[in-house]
Amino acid sequence: DGGITQSPKYLFRKEGQNVTLSCEQNLNHDAMYWYRQDPGQGLRLIYYSQIVNDFQKGDIAEGYSVSREKKESFPLTVTSAQKNPTAFYLCASSIGTAIPGSEQFFGPGTRLTVL
Amino acid sequence: GDSVTQMEGPVTLSEEAFLTINCTYTATGYPSLFWYVQYPGEGLQLLLKATKADDKGSNKGFEATYRKETTSFHLEKGSVQVSDSAVYFCALISGANSKLTFGKGITLSVRP
Repeated sequence: DGGITQSPKYLFRKEGQNVTLSCEQNLNHDAMYWYRQDPGQGLRLIYYSQIVNDFQKGDIAEGYSVSREKKESFPLTVTSAQKNPTAFYLCASSIGTAIPGSEQFFGPGTRLTVL
Repeated sequence: GDSVTQMEGPVTLSEEAFLTINCTYTATGYPSLFWYVQYPGEGLQLLLKATKADDKGSNKGFEATYRKETTSFHLEKGSVQVSDSAVYFCALISGANSKLTFGKGITLSVRP
């Protein structure tokens, strides 16, 4: 089955530790995205990548980093510089700019709790 | 910049009631419009979409029509079920980029 996988589903970390969230897709999509979801605030874009080895900051990139070494993988690192990292993190992918207006497909999410 | 405004929630309805969730947008050019649904503890699923003016998207009994004159994309369903209880997000993509702009989402609860 084609789709997007995120792991783990729940993640607990101590304050001050970096943590990396996994996102993998087998849809052969060029574009991938990371969002953060907080209660009552909808989704906010952290980083996105339109093509391998390239990525851009979204609206709330501070305290996060990404890499895009392979087309199917787009891991997100939440660093100790992120002041309030506890949230639900969603990864998405799309065909990208090749088809303008193409929809994004979402993974099941990772709930990160920093203790 | 682009923006999406959804009506304030939450919304609570009885089973078989009629549903309308309002969504209006501001965007440059001619955006593509989407409704996504999120069930508790899960990611988002595309519910329906419309890519040009007067297009009607439909899926699972839900409908929304792209109204350019009123910059709206209201979601409707004639008879809701308990299983429709979820959070609903209106969103758009405009211009040459592929970034989604989301509304804040609205929680729908349907009681038996």
